[in-house]
Amino acid sequence: EAGVTQSPTHLIKTRGQQATLRCSPISGHTSVYWYQQALGLGLQFLLWYDEGEERNRGNFPPRFSGRQFPNYSSELNVNALELEDSALYLCASSLTAGVVEQFFGPGTRLTVL
Amino acid sequence: SQELEQSPQSLIVQEGKNLTINCTSSKTLYGLYWYKQKYGEGLIFLMMLQKGGEEKSHEKITAKLDEKKQQSSLHITASQPSHAGIYLCGAQGADTGFQKLVFGTGTRLLVSP
Repeated sequence: EAGVTQSPTHLIKTRGQQATLRCSPISGHTSVYWYQQALGLGLQFLLWYDEGEERNRGNFPPRFSGRQFPNYSSELNVNALELEDSALYLCASSLTAGVVEQFFGPGTRLTVL
Repeated sequence: SQELEQSPQSLIVQEGKNLTINCTSSKTLYGLYWYKQKYGEGLIFLMMLQKGGEEKSHEKITAKLDEKKQQSSLHITASQPSHAGIYLCGAQGADTGFQKLVFGTGTRLLVSP
């Protein structure tokens, strides 16, 4: 069974640009979570999607947004990139909204120059 | 808001030695997760604990949750180089939303031959 996959592996952007990160959950999983792991800040919850809807949001500005598609894959968009957005972005999935165990993907490393 | 404190922040042990990593919560935990991360990579799920006093083992790793559900420990017996990495505890609390994991800052483990 394939795990959570993320693309791209690495992404380099400049300040002010937009970044799009993609995540495919484990087959059959309906919930997708996004986390940011910035240097010195630890792993922080960003967004949770389930059944195509945004269910919960962490303490991040509105320029961090995303969506979940009918096939449950998800996209994270970061607009107006700032240097401090440089981080490893991890996606996780769980079987349903009621199942708490989350499985993580390998991450996308975003570098903002 | 719920916070998790891990100790020690880093640890160097000789191969074959035992070690313990602690995770303390500011509030009662609904669920406590242990993950392992190799530098810059995704998280590998190790164990989940939910009940006070619960203890789980997998291979040479044992995790415990105290009766009050505010502290967890991860114990590795006879450490091996393959145990090296960053160990993260993650938790769900009643005030964070059960689907949102809050993470500790991690413990970096190095195992010397």
